[in-house]
Amino acid sequence: DAGVTQSPTHLIKTRGQQVTLRCSPISGHKSVSWYQQVLGQGPQFIFQYYEKEERGRGNFPDRFSARQFPNYSSELNVNALLLGDSALYLCASSSDRAPGELFFGEGSRLTVL
Amino acid sequence: QKEVEQNSGPLSVPEGAIASLNCTYSDRGSQSFFWYRQYSGKSPELIMSIYSNGDKEDGRFTAQLNKASQYVSLLIRDSQPSDSATYLCAVDFNNDMRFGAGTRLTVKP
Repeated sequence: DAGVTQSPTHLIKTRGQQVTLRCSPISGHKSVSWYQQVLGQGPQFIFQYYEKEERGRGNFPDRFSARQFPNYSSELNVNALLLGDSALYLCASSSDRAPGELFFGEGSRLTVL
Repeated sequence: QKEVEQNSGPLSVPEGAIASLNCTYSDRGSQSFFWYRQYSGKSPELIMSIYSNGDKEDGRFTAQLNKASQYVSLLIRDSQPSDSATYLCAVDFNNDMRFGAGTRLTVKP
């Protein structure tokens, strides 16, 4: 069975640009969460979606947005990129049986120049 | 405030020893607790979940939870060099999963 897949794996943007990151959950998982991880820190919660509805939002500015599609895949959008947005963006999915047990994708490494 | 605190380490133990990793959290109402392992350059991988006070064992790993003290720990018995990684403690604050900064563990052959 395929795990959580994310694309792109690496990307480079310049300040002020916009980026869209994509995530496909494990088959059967309806919940998708997004995290930002900078070097030396733990993942920081950005969003959680379940059945296309936002279930939770972390302390990130409105430049960050996300959505979930009927097939449970998800996109994370970041507008007006700042240098500080450079990070590893992780997507995780979880099952209804164990909603807190997260399965992470390999991440999208974003570099903002 | 929703905070998860871990000793950043690094923690170094000899092969075959017990590694003890600790975590405290701020919200007494939290019900779900997790330990993830993250190898350098890789994404986190779930190794243990614990929901009730006491101990939970899975192979060489034992998670311990004390809700009154707001404390959760992970013991790794018979540590192996392959256990060398960063261990992340995570607490679910009502659909807001918070991670600690992680403890870097090195197991020396």
